[in-house]
Amino acid sequence: DGGITQSPKYLFRKEGQNVTLSCEQNLNHDAMYWYRQDPGQGLRLIYYSQIVNDFQKGDIAEGYSVSREKKESFPLTVTSAQKNPTAFYLCASSNPGDDTYNQPQHFGDGTRLSIL
Amino acid sequence: EDQVTQSPEALRLQEGESSSLNCSYTVSGLRGLFWYRQDPGKGPEFLFTLYSAGEEKEKERLKATLTKKESFLHITAPKPEDSATYLCAVHPYSSASKIIFGSGTRLSIRP
Repeated sequence: DGGITQSPKYLFRKEGQNVTLSCEQNLNHDAMYWYRQDPGQGLRLIYYSQIVNDFQKGDIAEGYSVSREKKESFPLTVTSAQKNPTAFYLCASSNPGDDTYNQPQHFGDGTRLSIL
Repeated sequence: EDQVTQSPEALRLQEGESSSLNCSYTVSGLRGLFWYRQDPGKGPEFLFTLYSAGEEKEKERLKATLTKKESFLHITAPKPEDSATYLCAVHPYSSASKIIFGSGTRLSIRP
């Protein structure tokens, strides 16, 4: 079945450590997104990518980095500069289709990151 | 500034008790409005897209409607399995590919 796979489901970070969250999609979607979800808050956009080898900062990019070397993959690195990384991280993808940028985003099942 | 506000934050209903969830938005222009369902520990699941005022979409016990300022998600005769957080998101004309999410309504249906 087509979908978005995020791994790991749970991740723990030590002080000063960088960690990388994986996101893979087999929907042949051009655009991919990373969101952060905190309790009682809406999803906040971290980074997004509309095509391979190109990505843009979202609303809360500080302390995070991404790459988009393949269409199927959009890994997110949470760096030690991110001082409050505990959250639920969601990856999404979409296909512009005929009405560019107006297609729904489809989501993976998230990675929960905690601090040790 | 583009904004999305959902109300109420939480709603508890008895099984079979119909109600509505509200999504109010302020955007310069609307490309589309999306409704999602999110279960605990899972990613949001897409439900509906609405594009223009007066449009309605239905799926089982859910019906979404859209006006120029808000959208409603009506739930008719809900069952316990309808318990989830329902998220609304808007895609404004001011952004090529970014959408803005509301903080959601936590819906709980008691048997």
